[in-house]
Amino acid sequence: GDSVTQMEGPVTLSEEAFLTINCTYTATGYPSLFWYVQYPGEGLQLLLKATKADDKGSNKGFEATYRKETTSFHLEKGSVQVSDSAVYFCALRLGSYIPTFGRGTSLIVHP
Amino acid sequence: NAGVMQNPRHLVRRRGQEARLRCSPMKGHSHVYWYRQLPEEGLKFMVYLQKENIIDESGMPKERFSAEFPKEGPSILRIQQVVRGDSAAYFCASSPPQAGSSGYTFGSGTRLTVV
Repeated sequence: GDSVTQMEGPVTLSEEAFLTINCTYTATGYPSLFWYVQYPGEGLQLLLKATKADDKGSNKGFEATYRKETTSFHLEKGSVQVSDSAVYFCALRLGSYIPTFGRGTSLIVHP
Repeated sequence: NAGVMQNPRHLVRRRGQEARLRCSPMKGHSHVYWYRQLPEEGLKFMVYLQKENIIDESGMPKERFSAEFPKEGPSILRIQQVVRGDSAAYFCASSPPQAGSSGYTFGSGTRLTVV
C-alpha cells in the first residue's frame, strides 16, 4: 500500500541554521504531496504542496521539490527561527483517496 | 468563514463513561475525516464520512467506537466505555467533494483524557 516515511526526530537546531527534513514515499500512482505543520496544542495546517513531478511548493521560507526519480519530497528552509519549532508531517494523496501521513518529525529551534 | 470547528477542545472522562467529540466542517465541505494522534505515534486515520454515509471506517476499532455525519449538524465521533488507552488527541479534517489534489483543512482537535 501507499506509505510515507519521514526522518525520525527530534531535529534540534540553532536559530538561523539550515533545515532539511527528509520524506520519501511509496505510491501506486502519481500522488500529490504535502507538508503540514502542527504547532504545540493546535491542529495541522497545510504548509505547502506539489501536485506533479518537479513542482516546487513553497511557503513562509520553506520549500520542497517533488522528485519522482527518488520518490522524495524533502522539506528545506535556509534559516530557521525559534517560531518554526513544531511537528512537521509529510503526506501524500492519490486523487480523492484518503491522504496518508508520515509519523511526523519534531523540530526544536534554540535561540 | 470559520474553519473546521471541533469541540470540546479538552474532554476528561472517567473509565467506563462515554465520550462524544463534535466536528463542524468548513462551509461547502461535505467530506469529513477523523484521525487519532497518540503520543510518539503520529496521525492515524480512523474514519471517512460524507453526509449520512460512512465511506471508509477501516481505521476505526470495531468495538466501542462509532461515527456519524447526519444531514444536519456536526459529525460526531462517539467512544463508549472509554479506557485509559483512548486518551489521545482526535482531529477532524474536511474537504470539498472534488478536492482532487487539494489538501485537507484540519480542526484544532479534541484532547481526550481518561482518568
